[in-house]
Amino acid sequence: QKEVEQDPGPLSVPEGAIVSLNCTYSNSAFQYFMWYRQYSRKGPELLMYTYSSGNKEDGRFTAQVDKSSKYISLFIRDSQPSDSATYLCAMSAEGPGGYQKVTFGTGTKLQVIP
Amino acid sequence: DAGITQSPRHKVTETGTPVTLRCHQTENHRYMYWYRQDPGHGLRLIHYSYGVKDTDKGEVSDGYSVSRSKTEDFLLTLESATSSQTSVYFCAIRVGQAATNYGYTFGSGTRLTVV
Repeated sequence: QKEVEQDPGPLSVPEGAIVSLNCTYSNSAFQYFMWYRQYSRKGPELLMYTYSSGNKEDGRFTAQVDKSSKYISLFIRDSQPSDSATYLCAMSAEGPGGYQKVTFGTGTKLQVIP
Repeated sequence: DAGITQSPRHKVTETGTPVTLRCHQTENHRYMYWYRQDPGHGLRLIHYSYGVKDTDKGEVSDGYSVSRSKTEDFLLTLESATSSQTSVYFCAIRVGQAATNYGYTFGSGTRLTVV
């Protein structure tokens, strides 16, 4: 079983819809949680990061972390065709020697239909 | 753009040949990483560096070596390329200065095909 599970999609939604992207994890040592967006043939770009349980909002994006359920979410309000991309969750925990080991989900492909 | 450049962008090479990929950054970041991205596996860490000449292995380091002789350059070498190393390779730098920010900036990737 993978430490981080993410539904690969694809997820197709109409423009303007609210999108919910999710990851579950098994390692209770994860402390930091991140969401990346990756356009086709590009490198991932950091969207949001959070340190603790709760919500964090940035414009149309809201990241939610529920450590008790080992579940994180990214909500996109008023989705736009330009949001069409693959979304990767990532989380980190302290590894051997104090190094912060980051584990990525496999990504969910989102398509927003005009 | 955090000023991170990967070269080459695309490469086709033959099995058994050595290959070196280059990552160059312009902002003096201490931490640099090499990942590979494959369908169904996501991003997996190959090697990372925490300073000049300071490197360590990631989860999929077999068959790869790295060097960092200058802060700005982090090289990944496939010692003897195999078809299983066909992948997209990403370099990343850690941009967060706060202890609670482990976000990375990634390069545009190198698409490597081993035939």
